[in-house]
Amino acid sequence: ETGVTQSPTHLIKTRGQQVTLRCSSQSGHNTVSWYQQALGQGPQFIFQYYREEENGRGNFPPRFSGLQFPNYSSELNVNALELDDSALYLCASSFRDRGRGNTIYFGEGSWLTVV
Amino acid sequence: AQKITQTQPGMFVQEKEAVTLDCTYDTSDQSYGLFWYKQPSSGEMIFLIYQGSYDEQNATEGRYSLNFQKARKSANLVISASQLGDSAMYFCAMREGWVGGYQKVTFGTGTKLQVIP
Repeated sequence: ETGVTQSPTHLIKTRGQQVTLRCSSQSGHNTVSWYQQALGQGPQFIFQYYREEENGRGNFPPRFSGLQFPNYSSELNVNALELDDSALYLCASSFRDRGRGNTIYFGEGSWLTVV
Repeated sequence: AQKITQTQPGMFVQEKEAVTLDCTYDTSDQSYGLFWYKQPSSGEMIFLIYQGSYDEQNATEGRYSLNFQKARKSANLVISASQLGDSAMYFCAMREGWVGGYQKVTFGTGTKLQVIP
């Protein structure tokens, strides 16, 4: 049990639609990151939020956006879905502390299929 | 250049034997962290073990140990006494620095481990 929960676990969307994925982080962990994992590949970093602000982004277009809320829950929004967006989306949380918080915990992921 | 390289796409190991999964990394940072995660077919990324770049001792967590060779930039995972439940994908990952509070983690391509009865 990592303390990180994601919803929904599976969903199917049509190309061009919009999707919102949700994540509830482990208590006390104030940094949340989102990753995209295509089939047969390692996770790719999308972006990171710290204290409700985005402070890092990977090589993903602006149609991938997010929010972090005061209770450290988070959302990933993807607009204008494309077929290549079909993937497992993983949320990860950690504690931002140089001296501690070495472990990054992941949720079980949300499987998105775009048809 | 790849930040994290896992050269073994697939591995087989006999139940109860030990297995080593290879990982090499590339960074110019002095402060970094190395992780191994297990991913069953269900998709959840399960944390196994962590090694900080300044840690002098190799990390161990139960049956998992990390063979950290800093000069060679390698961080191999050793699983002792393999069990059938160890069959999964294994990912090596690296966290680099804290510049701007940015904690990006880079993953390798993974190794699929299959434990044979």
